[in-house]
Amino acid sequence: GENVEQHPSTLSVQEGDSAVIKCTYSDSASNYFPWYKQELGKRPQLIIDIRSNVGEKKDQRIAVTLNKTAKHFSLHITETQPEDSAVYFCAAVSSAGGADGLTFGKGTHLIIQP
Amino acid sequence: SQTIHQWPATLVQPVGSPLSLECTVEGTSNPNLYWYRQAAGRGLQLLFYSVGIGQISSEVPQNLSASRPQDRQFILSSKKLLLSDSGFYLCAWIRMNTEAFFGQGTRLTVV
Repeated sequence: GENVEQHPSTLSVQEGDSAVIKCTYSDSASNYFPWYKQELGKRPQLIIDIRSNVGEKKDQRIAVTLNKTAKHFSLHITETQPEDSAVYFCAAVSSAGGADGLTFGKGTHLIIQP
Repeated sequence: SQTIHQWPATLVQPVGSPLSLECTVEGTSNPNLYWYRQAAGRGLQLLFYSVGIGQISSEVPQNLSASRPQDRQFILSSKKLLLSDSGFYLCAWIRMNTEAFFGQGTRLTVV
């Protein structure tokens, strides 16, 4: 099955700086890569996703890049703000079938320092 | 639009007591439903998934069980809770193996 590794586990950046979170996956059949943001005590919510037929996707201050050859994808947040502080999860879904859903990384606790 | 409901939001139960968490989905039919557990506010561990009524797949051996009595209802249960069952439980509907929609979560504390 799929295995997703996520780094770092904790990331502290100054407000206004950029943050980058990286994930690798093992199943070359994976074709959908979402990122979720989870604020303390709340449910994870989708913030951006990318499919295997594109290399990059942007939504305002958030971007995701995908390298299929190396089997890794990254989340980039620019001009970080205090409200960006949260736990971020990457995930991967295989196109190989099965209904066992998303495989999540272990999460990155992003701390925005004022 | 699709909505997923999960309750209760918080629960404090003594060791050895039973557990029942309920999850229902609106706005879709024959959804793939999932139960995750999140310990220490970090990783999401898949516990069970169901692709239809009466169909349950388990990912890890554990003290919990799941049932799918109706198309849009998914229940997580235990006959006797352990301290190690404490955690944040999330029900999810995953659309066509793409986006996941999560319930509000249940914070379970076993004392």
